[in-house]
Amino acid sequence: DAGITQSPRYKITETGRQVTLMCHQTWSHSYMFWYRQDLGHGLRLIYYSAAADITDKGEVPDGYVVSRSKTENFPLTLESATRSQTSVYFCATQQGTDTQYFGPGTRLTVL
Amino acid sequence: EDKVVQSPLSLVVHEGDTVTLNCSYEVTNFRSLLWYKQEKKAPTFLFMLTSSGIEKKSGRLSSILDKKELFSILNITATQTGDSAIYLCAVRNNNDMRFGAGTRLTVKP
Repeated sequence: DAGITQSPRYKITETGRQVTLMCHQTWSHSYMFWYRQDLGHGLRLIYYSAAADITDKGEVPDGYVVSRSKTENFPLTLESATRSQTSVYFCATQQGTDTQYFGPGTRLTVL
Repeated sequence: EDKVVQSPLSLVVHEGDTVTLNCSYEVTNFRSLLWYKQEKKAPTFLFMLTSSGIEKKSGRLSSILDKKELFSILNITATQTGDSAIYLCAVRNNNDMRFGAGTRLTVKP
């Protein structure tokens, strides 16, 4: 039972390129979240989704796009990566309670 | 603006010591406060608190919430080197969750 997985785990890209980070869950939890974690800022919410085809902006959405055509997948796309988007990205799910369960994270470096 | 503030930002103790980590918040439409432990990977859930004055306990860890004064504390007794981690506090309001910057705890042998 994988629970929640993220891919890739590590990614190096160049400024201006499009990058998609994948998040997949096997629990069928309604809510899914994308966070970025940076030194000095802690975890910040980028986007979240309450259900398939329902997404909403979080604290730092600029430069990111999400979609949720299926309950189990919540990809995060950087349409034109910038160096300031170098970060560790965590996906999380939630169902029925306020507890969130985090994926293992993706470390993204934008050169 | 909603905010979650943790203190101290960093703490170094020796094995066997007791530590108290603090989390204060200003959040509209508060629903719950959560504590997480993060080592060199994703955060793992510790406690969820929704009511004032009710202590949650798990082994050597305990936590309590004060909704009047808008803060929570996380206590760790008889600390061990395995307790070394970043402890994150997060506050839920409706569909959003706001995290504090975390407290980095280092437990020395």
